[in-house]
Amino acid sequence: TQLLEQSPQFLSIQEGENLTVYCNSSSVFSSLQWYRQEPGEGPVLLVTVVTGGEVKKLKRLTFQFGDARKDSSLHITAAQPGDTGLYLCAGARGAGSYQLTFGKGTKLSVIP
Amino acid sequence: NAGVTQTPKFRILKIGQSMTLQCTQDMNHNYMYWYRQDPGMGLKLIYYSVGAGITDKGEVPNGYNVSRSTTEDFPLRLELAAPSQTSVYFCASSYMPDTQYFGPGTRLTVL
Repeated sequence: TQLLEQSPQFLSIQEGENLTVYCNSSSVFSSLQWYRQEPGEGPVLLVTVVTGGEVKKLKRLTFQFGDARKDSSLHITAAQPGDTGLYLCAGARGAGSYQLTFGKGTKLSVIP
Repeated sequence: NAGVTQTPKFRILKIGQSMTLQCTQDMNHNYMYWYRQDPGMGLKLIYYSVGAGITDKGEVPNGYNVSRSTTEDFPLRLELAAPSQTSVYFCASSYMPDTQYFGPGTRLTVL
């Protein structure tokens, strides 16, 4: 079974601080997605990265796919309380694969 | 545009009862999925479908069944509910397999 390990598991920071969360695997993925999930709701897709070394920005969020397509990171600049939630990474096992492998998530709390 | 809708939102079942979790999408997506999410365990794929009339097992299919008679609907059936099936169930759909859109979830408790 291919695993995606996310770290840290929990993160509590003050508003305005920067943070990085990680998603690591020993396996290669054809693409990787990041989702944010708020309590009582379903995950919401933030970004998909498909090329090794790719960097995508979404306002204050920066996503990077590792050169070897085995890992990814999410960096948030000047965190806000609205960033609070569970951040999940998910990887597609191969081109055309119908199944995603999900990590267990990083639970982020941004304190005003 | 409602996206992915799921009913019911909450349900309590007794051991041995049966129920169907409903999922409908209005985005004309071919791919649909059922996941369960347990605390601290991430999302596990139960079943998926690549189009009407085609379904396949995911990682944790035991105790569940699905059907896909239309593009829009993908119901999940629990035949004999067990406490191990207490979980939050999410339906998702996608145009491409690696970009999935999730419904709001059904919170199921089996007592």
